Amino acid sequence: GAGVSQTPSNKVTEKGKYVELRCDPISGHTALYWYRQSLGQGPEFLIYFQGTGAADDSGLPNDRFFAVRPEGSVSTLKIQRTERGDSAVYLCASSLRSATSGSGRAQYFGPGTRLTVL
Amino acid sequence: DQQVKQNSPSLSVQEGRISILNCDYTNSMFDYFLWYKKYPAEGPTFLISISSIKDKNEDGRFTVFLNKSAKHLSLHIVPSQPGDSAVYFCAARDSGNTPLVFGKGTRLSVIA
Repeated sequence: GAGVSQTPSNKVTEKGKYVELRCDPISGHTALYWYRQSLGQGPEFLIYFQGTGAADDSGLPNDRFFAVRPEGSVSTLKIQRTERGDSAVYLCASSLRSATSGSGRAQYFGPGTRLTVL
Repeated sequence: DQQVKQNSPSLSVQEGRISILNCDYTNSMFDYFLWYKKYPAEGPTFLISISSIKDKNEDGRFTVFLNKSAKHLSLHIVPSQPGDSAVYFCAARDSGNTPLVFGKGTRLSVIA
């Protein structure tokens, strides 16, 4: 079946511009996560949705970052007034909502969007 | 303060031998541990996981061992193959659908 998809795969923008990154989770997965990965680091959590609502947004670095998931499926990560330090790979993952054991608790990742802020 | 640590940034192993990747964690609330494999320009791919109620989980050539008292887990790959060359991330979470906490990764090179 189809995995997690993310668009665009690459985004180059100028400092100060606004960008939107899109994530399409695995069908049937109600939990959706955004992570950010910088060079030489592991993915770092940004925000997590359970259905349409953000269950935990404690990883968002500041109020320039915002994410929505209006219909409980596709999610959009929005970054305002981009800065050079925002350059990273933005990863989206999804998982089953109610899984409590086994590999059902695993998160499945998309290929990521590489954001470069010039 | 890193809650999940992979202290070896890289590891080189000959084809056919065993690869052992290590991971340490500090948060005693973690109850589920995962290993992901990542190729360049791709997202992390789920490999194998283990719940804190177990100390071993095996899937083909991959085995994960968990030592809760030492807060340590390891991934064994045997026999190692050139296609296993990738960056391996250890990740952990506490109960429910909480976000994963990742280590910095270990780059495995399997030499033919």
